[in-house]
Amino acid sequence: GNSVTQMEGPVTLSEEAFLTINCTYTATGYPSLFWYVQYPGEGLQLLLKATKADDKGSNKGFEATYRKETTSFHLEKGSVQVSDSAVYFCALRPRDSGGSNYKLTFGKGTLLTVNP
Amino acid sequence: NAGVMQNPRHLVRRRGQEARLRCSPMKGHSHVYWYRQLPEEGLKFMVYLQKENIIDESGMPKERFSAEFPKEGPSILRIQQVVRGDSAAYFCASSTGLAGDTQYFGPGTRLTVL
Repeated sequence: GNSVTQMEGPVTLSEEAFLTINCTYTATGYPSLFWYVQYPGEGLQLLLKATKADDKGSNKGFEATYRKETTSFHLEKGSVQVSDSAVYFCALRPRDSGGSNYKLTFGKGTLLTVNP
Repeated sequence: NAGVMQNPRHLVRRRGQEARLRCSPMKGHSHVYWYRQLPEEGLKFMVYLQKENIIDESGMPKERFSAEFPKEGPSILRIQQVVRGDSAAYFCASSTGLAGDTQYFGPGTRLTVL
């Protein structure tokens, strides 16, 4: 079955530090890949996505590249801010023709805390 | 434009009671998905509904759990005779249902069973 493994948290960084949150996946075929972010007290928001190999998703200074050869989709940001403190979820969505391509499979989430 | 709304945000029940969780999708969305997040776990798919139809309930426990999305009103996830293992965060998402569409999530309902 499909699965997503992401870096265990919590991750604590100082403002302006470089961020990497690792994410690897197992899936049949070529799924779409996503990063969602959950700010305190809010729902999950789509941060970025990539739908095919070598695609790079980017938003708000965050980037992730779909690497088929390593089945990875690591999240990076060059300089984090206090406002980036949140829980980050990596997820995949299958691209099968059997009709269940709406089911998102999530990692466990990584709590990021950025200190001033 | 309001996003996906869920209520209540927090719900406490004693073992054996019923829990009703509500989800109002975004305006213009007719597809609803429910996910559950157990402690220390990622979100897991439970059920996919369209108005008046259950499309896929393969992630729902076979007993005590049911879901509906009536023609009028919010989607309801109902848990009968709750047990401590039902304590979790329940998230609802909605979408347009078009190919490759994005699922937009609500803030979740945190259920605690005493």
